[in-house]
Amino acid sequence: EAQVTQNPRYLITVTGKKLTVTCSQNMNHEYMSWYRQDPGLGLRQIYYSMNVEVTDKGDVPEGYKVSRKEKRNFPLILESPSPNQTSLYFCASSTSGRHLMSYNEQFFGPGTRLTVL
Amino acid sequence: DQQVKQNSPSLSVQEGRISILNCDYTNSMFDYFLWYKKYPAEGPTFLISISSIKDKNEDGRFTVFLNKSAKHLSLHIVPSQPGDSAVYFCAASDGNTGKLIFGQGTTLQVKP
Repeated sequence: EAQVTQNPRYLITVTGKKLTVTCSQNMNHEYMSWYRQDPGLGLRQIYYSMNVEVTDKGDVPEGYKVSRKEKRNFPLILESPSPNQTSLYFCASSTSGRHLMSYNEQFFGPGTRLTVL
Repeated sequence: DQQVKQNSPSLSVQEGRISILNCDYTNSMFDYFLWYKKYPAEGPTFLISISSIKDKNEDGRFTVFLNKSAKHLSLHIVPSQPGDSAVYFCAASDGNTGKLIFGQGTTLQVKP
């Protein structure tokens, strides 16, 4: 089954304790991205990757790191989490079309609900 | 600075009637627009898209209209069904980058 998986689905942690949220896709997609969803703000892009070893900042990259060493995986790293990073996080992937348009039709994972105390 | 805005947080319609969800954008460089649907406890799913070279795209009960001069797009659902009840996000991209900008979302409730 074609899917994007995220782990963990739920996480409660404390300020300053490094954590990683994993994301994996089995569709051989070049493009992957991370978003956070907050009430009244919709989905905001954190980082994205057009292909292996290529990553770029989205709209809200502060406090996050990513890496893309393999095509299928795109982990999100919070080196020193703070309470304002409490949010619902989504990973997504898509193909990269010839005119860079098809990457927009992204497949989303089920989400990771993170609480930072 | 919200580049993509959905000014109606919620919308309620009767089953069988038309649902119209609206979205405004400010960046004239956006050339590709999408609508996603999201149910609780699930990730968003792609619904329909439109390129800036078109003003209308239709897929079954779903039609997206684009008015570039007004920087406005809308999603029409006809006829609306209770299973359409969800949060709808519009999104925009300039096509040359990997960035995708989402609106705040509109919660649609379709009453039986």
